[in-house]
Amino acid sequence: GAVVSQHPSWVICKSGTSVKIECRSLDFQATTMFWYRQFPKQSLMLMATSNEGSKATYEQGVEKDKFLINHASLTLSTLTVTSAHPEDSSFYICSAQKRESYTDTQYFGPGTRLTVL
Amino acid sequence: ILNVEQSPQSLHVQEGDSTNFTCSFPSSNFYALHWYRWETAKSPEALFVMTLNGDEKKKGRISATLNTKEGYSYLYIKGSQPEDSATYLCAFSSSNTGKLIFGQGTTLQVKP
Repeated sequence: GAVVSQHPSWVICKSGTSVKIECRSLDFQATTMFWYRQFPKQSLMLMATSNEGSKATYEQGVEKDKFLINHASLTLSTLTVTSAHPEDSSFYICSAQKRESYTDTQYFGPGTRLTVL
Repeated sequence: ILNVEQSPQSLHVQEGDSTNFTCSFPSSNFYALHWYRWETAKSPEALFVMTLNGDEKKKGRISATLNTKEGYSYLYIKGSQPEDSATYLCAFSSSNTGKLIFGQGTTLQVKP
């Protein structure tokens, strides 16, 4: 068990458009989901922490109005990149923690490659 | 700023070789250290979560040790196989909030 899916796996969009990325826990309920991004040759950087039914907590330097996170259910979180610009081009990946996990293991999706032209 | 360093950045070994790499992390405010294995085009796979100083964990041919006092963890692979080729990530957390700080990873390539 503990499978997390992400959709789409890659997306190319024009500057100024918005892009939505979905993260789903397929076989477990996730109390918390996390969104990371990775720029080339850099490590995964946490963007925000998302708890079901409440507002996301954003890391310093991450614009909450630009990266909208919705965690409407225990199995789905979405990240919307609004008015995307070329500098938002990156690899975005989500993770989820099980509802009753005491090990704190995070289960990751396969990621989404976003390219903004 | 909390920093997690992994070394080496990349490693090429022959099938059958044993290998190890290092993860260095802050020795203060330690909560847990995670190891992940990440194959290209797949999801990172959780290998270990380590919480206690002196912890040693094993999964098949892969094992890991933890020294929280000096701030390092080693990952060992015994008798490397081509299917072990992947990027190995470590991540440090200082609390039970789940926030992870990742290293840049060690990319291992095992040649048949």
